[in-house]
Amino acid sequence: EIEMTQSPATLSVSPGERATLSCRASQSVANSLAWYQQRPGQPPRLLIFGASTRAPGIPARFSGGGSGTEFTLTISSLQSEDFALYFCHQYNNWPPLHTFGQGTKLQIK
Amino acid sequence: QVQLQESGPGLVKPSETLSLTCAVSGDSIYSSNWWSWVRQPAGKGLEWIGEIYQSGSPYYNPSLKSRVTISVEKSKNQFSLKLNSTTAADTAVYYCVRRVGAGPPRGVFDMWSQGTMVTVSS
Repeated sequence: EIEMTQSPATLSVSPGERATLSCRASQSVANSLAWYQQRPGQPPRLLIFGASTRAPGIPARFSGGGSGTEFTLTISSLQSEDFALYFCHQYNNWPPLHTFGQGTKLQIK
Repeated sequence: QVQLQESGPGLVKPSETLSLTCAVSGDSIYSSNWWSWVRQPAGKGLEWIGEIYQSGSPYYNPSLKSRVTISVEKSKNQFSLKLNSTTAADTAVYYCVRRVGAGPPRGVFDMWSQGTMVTVSS
C-alpha cells in the first residue's frame, strides 16, 4: 500500500496571503495525484487532478505541482472560503487501492 | 446533473451488518465510470472501502476485504455496500462516490454524495 503523508497537519495563514501544502508518497505515483477540499459538513470537492490540472470551475488561485513522490498545493491570495481541510489522493495502483493523506487543516491566522 | 444519494440505517448494533445503498441519477451505473465507497470517522481522514465497475468484480481495501461486499443493483441504477461483523471502529460518515473511468479527469473521485453518518452502538 502506498502511504500518503501530508504536512503540516495545521497551517495558519492570513487572508490574502499564500498557502503551500505538501503531500509525500511512500513510493512514486508518477502524476496520479489529486487534491480535494472539504468544508465543514460537506463532502470533499475535487480541486486538482494529474498533480497539476485544475478541475472544472476551480479558481486559478489554486495550483498543483510535483511528480513522483513530492507534491504541493498552492493557494495564492487566500479567500475566506478557502479555509478548510485539504486531502491528497493517489490513484496510481492497479488493481485499485486508493489512499489518502491524513489532511491539512488550513485555518485563519 | 449527476447526483448520488445514499440510504440506509444510521444505527447498527455491534457484530451486525451495515447496509447502505447509493442511488445514482444523471449517469448510468453501466457508464465508463467506477462506483466507490469512502468513509470518514469523525474528525479524521478518508478511507477508501472499495469500488465496482459496471457489474464486474469489485475491488476492496485489503484492510476491510474479509468483511465487505459491494454490488450493483442492475435494474435500479444503484449500488450497495455491506459491511459485516461491525464494531465501534466502523462508526463514520459513509460516502458513495463516482470515480472517473475514461477521459480527463480519469482516475479521480469527481462526484460525492452528501454522506450519511452510521453509528455502531448497542
